[in-house]
Amino acid sequence: EVQLVESGGGLVQPGGSLRLSCAASGFSFSSYAIQWVRQAPGKGLEYVSAISYNGGTTYYANSVKGRFTISRDNSKNTLYLQMGSLRVEDMAVYYCARSPCGGDCYQDYWGQGTLVTVSS
Amino acid sequence: QLVLTQSPSASASLGASVKLTCTLSSGHSSYTIAWHQQQPEKGPRYLMKVNSDGSHSKGDGIPDRFSGSSSGAERYLTISSLQSDDEADYYCQTWGTGIHVLFGGGTKLTVL
Repeated sequence: EVQLVESGGGLVQPGGSLRLSCAASGFSFSSYAIQWVRQAPGKGLEYVSAISYNGGTTYYANSVKGRFTISRDNSKNTLYLQMGSLRVEDMAVYYCARSPCGGDCYQDYWGQGTLVTVSS
Repeated sequence: QLVLTQSPSASASLGASVKLTCTLSSGHSSYTIAWHQQQPEKGPRYLMKVNSDGSHSKGDGIPDRFSGSSSGAERYLTISSLQSDDEADYYCQTWGTGIHVLFGGGTKLTVL
């Protein structure tokens, strides 16, 4: 069974940093691109970032470029999102999702999400 | 500029059918889209991919009650024999070079 489990969310002050993790199981993690997608409270889904199967190519939404860094450790079947210079508008549930056809593609499996709260 | 437009809400009765629409903006009618379901307080779930020719491929375990189709710039998700747990938000989504990944605003489906 494909599973994606996010962790690392929490309360952080504006301007602060946080690192999210996504632990994958049930499939060959090193063969798939993975994405981060977020959802602000009461809002729709918003693409954040993606990374190719081997980590060689990364993609970012303009809203997070230069502040967030996506990475992966295929030996640990884990995806990361290092978030810096956090803003109130970054507050959201962050989902990781498997992408079956490259970094910028659709998602065929999703995690349950981890909540990031940005507040002073 | 590529935009995906969805009606904010839809409703249908238990046991009936409903057809949700995702409209691609002008000049982008060839794009493939994906449909995702998000039940309350849950993560999204991939339903299917719908191509411009109307062909579709469903995700693992998606019941036959869910089907996809296409006409011009519109992509459809039809749910038949509506059940109470079909009550959810439904998002369409597309992707491509230069646009990364783009989601529609979502349709909230109420099962009466």
